[in-house]
Amino acid sequence: QKEVEQNSGPLSVPEGAIASLNCTYSDRGSQSFFWYRQYSGKSPELIMSIYSNGDKEDGRFTAQLNKASQYVSLLIRDSQPSDSATYLCAVNPGTGNQFYFGTGTSLTVIP
Amino acid sequence: EAQVTQNPRYLITVTGKKLTVTCSQNMNHEYMSWYRQDPGLGLRQIYYSMNVEVTDKGDVPEGYKVSRKEKRNFPLILESPSPNQTSLYFCASRYDYEQYFGPGTRLTVT
Repeated sequence: QKEVEQNSGPLSVPEGAIASLNCTYSDRGSQSFFWYRQYSGKSPELIMSIYSNGDKEDGRFTAQLNKASQYVSLLIRDSQPSDSATYLCAVNPGTGNQFYFGTGTSLTVIP
Repeated sequence: EAQVTQNPRYLITVTGKKLTVTCSQNMNHEYMSWYRQDPGLGLRQIYYSMNVEVTDKGDVPEGYKVSRKEKRNFPLILESPSPNQTSLYFCASRYDYEQYFGPGTRLTVT
């Protein structure tokens, strides 16, 4: 079983602060990593993908990958109330078409 | 508009009554998947398809069937549903490694 672990939260941050979400994975050979945002009652929406070590920035979002330590994180700068959602980490092992998801971290941004 | 559609969105049924949840995408993607989402367990992959007539099992395939006769459609079939299949189901279409999810089907089996 390839595991993806996330702190379930809830994580609360004030508006304008940086939210930091973390994810660890068990399969050292994993190649592709994703962050999805899921609003309550809605489907997951892809917000970031990262494939190589280091940082990848897209607007207020930064994904960080450290394959040696087997963790991937998501930073949300200048957090807004509209960022309040559950954030899912997903991993593709690179050996096929299967994807493994964490159980998600619930984020609340307090106005 | 690029999208993945699922039907029905909500379904309540009884144990043993065969049902099909349809999934369709208009993005011409080759890869499609089915997931179920349960509290505390997250999203788990049921089946996936790499192209027409090519399917394979995911992590939790027991009790499910799929078919891929056309590129755009990927129905999920429960031939004899049981209460432990009560869940929220998502179909996803994939380009490269990036997945796009349908709106979900909430299934209750009594």
